[in-house]
Amino acid sequence: QVQLQESGPGLVKPSETLSLTCTVSGASVNSGSHYWSWIRQPPGKGLEWIGDIYYTGSTNYNPSLKSRITMSINTSKNQFSLNLSSVTAADTAVYYCARTVLYYDSRGYYSGAQYFQIWGQGTLVTVSS
Amino acid sequence: EVVLTQSPGTLSLSPGERATLSCRASQSVIGDFLAWYQQKPGQAPRLLIFGTSTRATGIPDRFSGTGSGTDFTLSISRLEPEDFAVYYCHHTTFGQGTKVEIK
Repeated sequence: QVQLQESGPGLVKPSETLSLTCTVSGASVNSGSHYWSWIRQPPGKGLEWIGDIYYTGSTNYNPSLKSRITMSINTSKNQFSLNLSSVTAADTAVYYCARTVLYYDSRGYYSGAQYFQIWGQGTLVTVSS
Repeated sequence: EVVLTQSPGTLSLSPGERATLSCRASQSVIGDFLAWYQQKPGQAPRLLIFGTSTRATGIPDRFSGTGSGTDFTLSISRLEPEDFAVYYCHHTTFGQGTKVEIK
């Protein structure tokens, strides 16, 4: 059974960097069959895709967050990570990691769309001084 | 960017009734690459449908997805008590969600 588990500080100060790690069990992050994503949900609000990463280190980021995001992957630990810099209160959210499948068009090119197959339970990160 | 608009915002129904949830895209969805997720309070979302109409592993057949182009629908044929939740459609962005509540 594939499981994902987020970990990291629950409280981050404004202007600092939010750092989270997702540990995968029951599957290998370097299988080549999936991408690995971060999604967030502010309290009482909807879902926002942050970005995804492939085992090669190739990434796709949400354009609205791109300047502040760094994602990395550690295949030896079967983990992937998110760094979000210069955080503000607007970054307060539950952060989810997810195993991801990308959609490709009929020519075999990435369409820009994906779906999130398996989710972690989520971790609440609060930005506050 | 494709913007997804879900309607209604809230659907009040009784167990055993049929639920019909709408998701409209601001432009045609490439390849009908649309997914639906269910989220219950305090839980992570769960994938229900991908590729517009394919049920994810373990999803009961009372859930069905249809549509093409800009108009997509999630139907729940007979609501079970565990189906009362918030439902999101997703392509490259998420819709704002439809809450299915007990009437």
